[in-house]
Amino acid sequence: DSGVTQTPKHLITATGQRVTLRCSPRSGDLSVYWYQQSLDQGLQFLIQYYNGEERAKGNILERFSAQQFPDLHSELNLSSLELGDSALYFCASGRTPQTGELFFGEGSRLTVL
Amino acid sequence: ILNVEQSPQSLHVQEGDSTNFTCSFPSSNFYALHWYRWETAKSPEALFVMTLNGDEKKKGRISATLNTKEGYSYLYIKGSQPEDSATYLCALQHMEYGNKLVFGAGTILRVKS
Repeated sequence: DSGVTQTPKHLITATGQRVTLRCSPRSGDLSVYWYQQSLDQGLQFLIQYYNGEERAKGNILERFSAQQFPDLHSELNLSSLELGDSALYFCASGRTPQTGELFFGEGSRLTVL
Repeated sequence: ILNVEQSPQSLHVQEGDSTNFTCSFPSSNFYALHWYRWETAKSPEALFVMTLNGDEKKKGRISATLNTKEGYSYLYIKGSQPEDSATYLCALQHMEYGNKLVFGAGTILRVKS
């Protein structure tokens, strides 16, 4: 158990809909990272937050947004969903703003029909 | 675009065999190289974070080496056991890209008893 909690574990929705994925980092970790793994692709970095502020941004679509709340949990919002957004979305946490050893959650599997 | 390549894509070995796989990456502006172990239906788990050329790290039967000048890292597993079956991911942390980890596609290891 990494100590990182992600909900929901599975989500099935339709195109055009909006979903929110939630992540609670490991106790004491201030950094939260979101990664996407689509079929036949490696883990793709989406975005990082540190202590409530956006720290680094990857190839995150404009339809996607994220935030980190004062209690350090983070949410990834995916809107106007398309079939290609079906993927496994991982959250990871770390102690510092600089990426070191990351602790991953078990992921949220999103299926868009 | 940074390209992190892992080979082989998959590997099937017998219990007791020793094995190794490769992670290749651009050698310029290197910052750190991470290895993760990802078992099916679980979250990726950090094995090593390596920063120095010539670094060697070991955790039980698993060890890794790093050559930043030529841009590669090897992961070795001595005396493979069925519980070593997993996908092994390497990820590059590159100075130009800050905190973003660029993951390779992984090497899938299956150990038969």
